[in-house]
Amino acid sequence: QVQLVESGGGLVKPGGSLRLSCAASGFTFSDYYMTWIRQAPGKGLEWVSYISSGASTTYYADSVKGRFTISRDNAKNSLYLQMNSLRAEDTAVYYCARRVADYPSNWFDPWGQGTLVTVSS
Amino acid sequence: SYVLTQPPSASVAPGQTARITCEGYNVGSKSVHWYQQKPGQAPVLVVHDDSDRPSGIPERFSGSNSGNTATLTISRVEAGDEADFYCQVWDSSSDHPDFGGGTKLTVL
Repeated sequence: QVQLVESGGGLVKPGGSLRLSCAASGFTFSDYYMTWIRQAPGKGLEWVSYISSGASTTYYADSVKGRFTISRDNAKNSLYLQMNSLRAEDTAVYYCARRVADYPSNWFDPWGQGTLVTVSS
Repeated sequence: SYVLTQPPSASVAPGQTARITCEGYNVGSKSVHWYQQKPGQAPVLVVHDDSDRPSGIPERFSGSNSGNTATLTISRVEAGDEADFYCQVWDSSSDHPDFGGGTKLTVL
């Protein structure tokens, strides 16, 4: 079945770095755009970044632009999020999700189980 | 960004019908998608393109979209439907998704 499994979360000090990974299985990973979406504790969903199927296009929310880098390895069916200069407000559960496109409509299905990133001194 | 407004909470008795709204300027011209997030779990897509259900989602979940309001309707509500629900659209002008703030559905 289609599955996404995130890893790499943890506790990091402000200004530190962390790299998240998302392992995909059950579908042709290289055919899909992929996305990172986060959820701060007790808050709603916030889109973070997405990457095109061939990795030629990346897009970032203003809140993370210049600090986060999304990438993928289609040979390894894996998605990544390199997070630098982390701030307390980056504390959240980070989900990877497959973007399903039916132009001009785009939605997310499925989502991984999430990985918690905590930025605190 | 495109603003989507949801009521923070809604409540319904078991067996009744729950309606969760998602308001946005001329949202009827966009495709609206809905996600259900149970406590401690990841979001799950329950409706896409206003009213289409993914496989495995019960027929009790339906959606509509017109004018400035999209609505997720849950018929014959069960205790297990208690969750947070989020609407989402794709903002073509900025080429990124926008989410509503979420509605917490309580089954009385």
